[in-house]
Amino acid sequence: DAMVIQNPRYQVTQFGKPVTLSCSQTLNHNVMYWYQQKSSQAPKLLFHYYDKDFNNEADTPDNFQSRRPNTSFCFLDIRSPGLGDAAMYLCATSRQKETQYFGPGTRLLVL
Amino acid sequence: DQQVKQNSPSLSVQEGRISILNCDYTNSMFDYFLWYKKYPAEGPTFLISISSIKDKNEDGRFTVFLNKSAKHLSLHIVPSQPGDSAVYFCAASPTGNQFYFGTGTSLTVIP
Repeated sequence: DAMVIQNPRYQVTQFGKPVTLSCSQTLNHNVMYWYQQKSSQAPKLLFHYYDKDFNNEADTPDNFQSRRPNTSFCFLDIRSPGLGDAAMYLCATSRQKETQYFGPGTRLLVL
Repeated sequence: DQQVKQNSPSLSVQEGRISILNCDYTNSMFDYFLWYKKYPAEGPTFLISISSIKDKNEDGRFTVFLNKSAKHLSLHIVPSQPGDSAVYFCAASPTGNQFYFGTGTSLTVIP
């Protein structure tokens, strides 16, 4: 089945230790997104790739970076995680101007 | 600043009755709106969408209504079923590549 896959589902890291979350898709969608969702809050868009073009939201901290080496994969790098970065991280894909399809999310815990 | 608002964090409805979930937005540039359903430990799943050229879109038991002058949309579920119990997110987009989410409404359908 075509889908959006996120690994791992749960990630524990230490304060200040770099961590990478991964997302892959078999939908061949050209747009990929990363969202951060904290408890009882709306998913917040961090950035998105339209093909290879990177689009950063204005209020996304510099601590968050992303890479998209090919159509299928997209990575979220958190260079120095702080306690406030503990959240659910959702990856989504879409064709331009169409519905987004979400992965199951990676829950990040920062110790 | 929250551009998409869901002011009811929770809603309980009897099985077989109508569920009405509401969403308000502030950005008049939004022209595409979606509803997502989210079960615990899963990513949001697309439910139904509507573009700004319409005021109603129906798909089975789900109907979305859009009132552009009031910047308000609603999701009607008729009849409600216990399996509809989930968190429902409203999302809006000005371009089709950026989506802004509400904080969600937790629906409980009581058998």
